[in-house]
Amino acid sequence: DAEITQSPRHKITETGRQVTLACHQTWNHNNMFWYRQDLGHGLRLIHYSYGVQDTNKGEVSDGYSVSRSNTEDLPLTLESAASSQTSVYFCASRPGLAAPDAPYNEQFFGPGTRLTVL
Amino acid sequence: GEDVEQSLFLSVREGDSSVINCTYTDSSSTYLYWYKQEPGAGLQLLTYIFSNMDMKQDQRLTVLLNKKDKHLSLRIADTQTGDSAIYFCAVGKSAGNNRKLIWGLGTSLAVNP
Repeated sequence: DAEITQSPRHKITETGRQVTLACHQTWNHNNMFWYRQDLGHGLRLIHYSYGVQDTNKGEVSDGYSVSRSNTEDLPLTLESAASSQTSVYFCASRPGLAAPDAPYNEQFFGPGTRLTVL
Repeated sequence: GEDVEQSLFLSVREGDSSVINCTYTDSSSTYLYWYKQEPGAGLQLLTYIFSNMDMKQDQRLTVLLNKKDKHLSLRIADTQTGDSAIYFCAVGKSAGNNRKLIWGLGTSLAVNP
């Protein structure tokens, strides 16, 4: 069955280290997204991509980067991890190139990665 | 600015109806969504409504939209313990190239046996 996976599911790292969170989907979706979920803030969009070689900043992109070298993967990199980046990170994907809010473009979410920066 | 608000907690007894409310500020919103997040899992789309509708029913779920008051609600009939989860309201916005979903903070629904 097609799916979206994230790895690792849990990660503990130290301040200043580079960390990469993996996201892999097998639906061949063009659109992929990274969110962070924090108490009191809900879901906030970090970066998103509408296709290979396309990346865009979301509302909380500082300190994060993504790359899209193929359709299936959108890794999220924290260049120099900070304690403020302790959070749960969700990857999502969606088919098509239509408007992000269109209902026929339901976002499918991965299971999440819990990242702790000490 | 863009804002979506929900109450943070709701507790109901098994078998009762649950009503989760959401208010939003952007009158240009086109589609409005309800997502469900079970413990330790990602979000799943439950249902959605287009802004020119005022009601949508899908089995135990009823979505009501009051566009004048910018108020969206999700009613779950005959609530079960398996309905315990966090429910997110999300509002779609289209404005040229700036197209995105605005998320509420989520309502944590606890269903007591």
